[in-house]
Amino acid sequence: AQSVTQPDIHITVSEGASLELRCNYSYGATPYLFWYVQSPGQGLQLLLKYFSGDTLVQGIKGFEAEFKRSQSSFNLRKPSVHWSDAAEYFCAVGVGDDKIIFGKGTRLHILP
Amino acid sequence: KAGVTQTPRYLIKTRGQQVTLSCSPISGHRSVSWYQQTPGQGLQFLFEYFSETQRNKGNFPGRFSGRQFSNSRSEMNVSTLELGDSALYLCASSLGIAATDTQYFGPGTRLTVL
Repeated sequence: AQSVTQPDIHITVSEGASLELRCNYSYGATPYLFWYVQSPGQGLQLLLKYFSGDTLVQGIKGFEAEFKRSQSSFNLRKPSVHWSDAAEYFCAVGVGDDKIIFGKGTRLHILP
Repeated sequence: KAGVTQTPRYLIKTRGQQVTLSCSPISGHRSVSWYQQTPGQGLQFLFEYFSETQRNKGNFPGRFSGRQFSNSRSEMNVSTLELGDSALYLCASSLGIAATDTQYFGPGTRLTVL
């Protein structure tokens, strides 16, 4: 069955440090891949998406993600986090023309 | 362009009652999806409507239903409310279907069932 796994429920990093949030999926073909962010009390906002082509995708707010087919992963990265990046991050996978599956999310905490 | 709007923003109901939530998508968007978000279960897909037709339905009981109108506005109904239905209900709209297109989320409706 198709699934999306975000192994880290919580991650804490210091402001200015680099960040990597992990996302693994289970699907037989190349999926559509998304990262969304949810700030407290708000809905989700798209950070970036991958459909095809270059496997390194640039998004908003300085985020990027790399699709690795061999590892079924789509990890989100940022070279230097800011206090305003504290939020919950969701990886999502569109399977074929059918449905979208969200991971359970990773909550990012930033230390000053 | 106005974003996705959801009404009401907050709702308190008692067990056994029913509730209707409303979602107005971004103008021109034909797909509306609904999600239930809880601390324990995360974001769970309820259903997706595209051009007034239900495309997909998540694993929720029949007490959860929805519809989409010709102007793409959507409503979600929950009958015979249970305590476990307390959650943030998010609506999202997209130009194309949710699996392949960027979704734009509303701020959600916070439902509390007492």
